[in-house]
Amino acid sequence: DSGVTQTPKHLITATGQRVTLRCSPRSGDLSVYWYQQSLDQGLQFLIQYYNGEERAKGNILERFSAQQFPDLHSELNLSSLELGDSALYFCASSVVGSGNINEQFFGPGTRLTVL
Amino acid sequence: DQQVKQNSPSLSVQEGRISILNCDYTNSMFDYFLWYKKYPAEGPTFLISISSIKDKNEDGRFTVFLNKSAKHLSLHIVPSQPGDSAVYFCAASVIFQGAQKLVFGQGTRLTINP
Repeated sequence: DSGVTQTPKHLITATGQRVTLRCSPRSGDLSVYWYQQSLDQGLQFLIQYYNGEERAKGNILERFSAQQFPDLHSELNLSSLELGDSALYFCASSVVGSGNINEQFFGPGTRLTVL
Repeated sequence: DQQVKQNSPSLSVQEGRISILNCDYTNSMFDYFLWYKKYPAEGPTFLISISSIKDKNEDGRFTVFLNKSAKHLSLHIVPSQPGDSAVYFCAASVIFQGAQKLVFGQGTRLTINP
């Protein structure tokens, strides 16, 4: 158990809909990262938040957005969903947000299926 | 543009033998390399890392080798155990927009046969 929790575990929805994925980082971790893993692909970095502020942006679509709240939990919002958005979405957390290497602790992921 | 590549989608090894997982990269700005292990229905878990200024790092049964001139790294598991059966991701770290960013390979599914 990494200490990172993600809800829901599974989500099935229809094209055009909007969903929210939730992540609670490990106690004490200030950074939250979101990743997308599509079929047979590696994890693609989407976005990072550090202590409530956006820190870095990766391959995140404009239809997607995220935020980190004062209690440090984070939400990833996916809107106008398309079939190709079906994937595993992972959240990870780490202690620091910039500079030094540190391991990222991953949650179990949310499997999103868009029908 | 796949900056980190794991060219073998799968690998099968006999229990007790050595497992060697390979990873190639293209970006010479990567400063750390990491290996993550992933079981089904779980998130990836950190296994071992190596700084770009080193060529070897060992932790128990796991050793990572880095060949900077070839832009290649490998993970050796000796001896391989059934519990090592998992998907292994190679990742490389780079400072991106002032923060650490991990770039992952596609993963290699390792199966250890009894």
